[in-house]
Amino acid sequence: GQQLNQSPQSMFIQEGEDVSMNCTSSSIFNTWLWYKQDPGEGPVLLIALYKAGELTSNGRLTAQFGITRKDSFLNISASIPSDVGIYFCAGQLYYPNYGGSQGNLIFGKGTKLSVKP
Amino acid sequence: DARVTQTPRHKVTEMGQEVTMRCQPILGHNTVFWYRQTMMQGLELLAYFRNRAPLDDSGMPKDRFSAEMPDATLATLKIQPSEPRDSAVYFCASGLVRGTSGGGGYNEQFFGPGTRLTVL
Repeated sequence: GQQLNQSPQSMFIQEGEDVSMNCTSSSIFNTWLWYKQDPGEGPVLLIALYKAGELTSNGRLTAQFGITRKDSFLNISASIPSDVGIYFCAGQLYYPNYGGSQGNLIFGKGTKLSVKP
Repeated sequence: DARVTQTPRHKVTEMGQEVTMRCQPILGHNTVFWYRQTMMQGLELLAYFRNRAPLDDSGMPKDRFSAEMPDATLATLKIQPSEPRDSAVYFCASGLVRGTSGGGGYNEQFFGPGTRLTVL
C-alpha cells in the first residue's frame, strides 16, 4: 500500500531549541495534516494544509505543503517541555479520476520527541 | 466543546470472547473512521463510513471484525472471537468531507481518546 516516510523517527530536544521533522512520499497528496499524540490519548490535529506551497503557522508551529505535493515539513520553534510526544504526518491521496479524494488518510510512523537528559 | 467519545476506555478480556467498542462522532460530521494502533504497525485504518455507508473495510480481518453505524450518533467495532494479537489501542475518528470534484474534499479527522484492548 501507499506509505509515508516520516523522519526522524525520534529526537531529543533541549528547551529553547528549534525542531524540524518531515514526511515524504512517492505519491501526490492533496491534503497534509500534522497531529500530536500524548501518552494515553488520541492524536490531536495541529495544522492542516490544502494547497501546494502553503505555509501555515499555529503558535510556535509552522508547517508547509511541499511544492511537488509529495512532501511536508513541521517546524517547532523555541521548544518547551510540553512539546514532547509523538508527531504524525498524514496525507490524503489525490485521485484525479474520482473527483479528487476518497476521504481516507495515510499516516506516517511518527516522530517521537523527548527531552534531552 | 465538540469531541469524539469512545467507550470503554480500557477493556481486558480472554481469548475467544466478544468485544464491542463504541464511538460517538462529532455531531454533523459525515465520515467515521476506525483505526488500530500498535507499536509495530503504527496507525492502521480498519474501516470507514461516509453518511453511515461503509466505504472501505479492507483493513479489517473480515472473519472476526465487523463495523457498523446503526445511526448517525453511534459507530461500533466488534471482534468475535477475540485473539491475543488483537491487543492494541483502537481509535475512532470523525470528519467532515466537503467538496467532491476538482481537488477533493477537505478531510480533517478528529480522534477520540481510544479504547485500549488487552486480550489474554
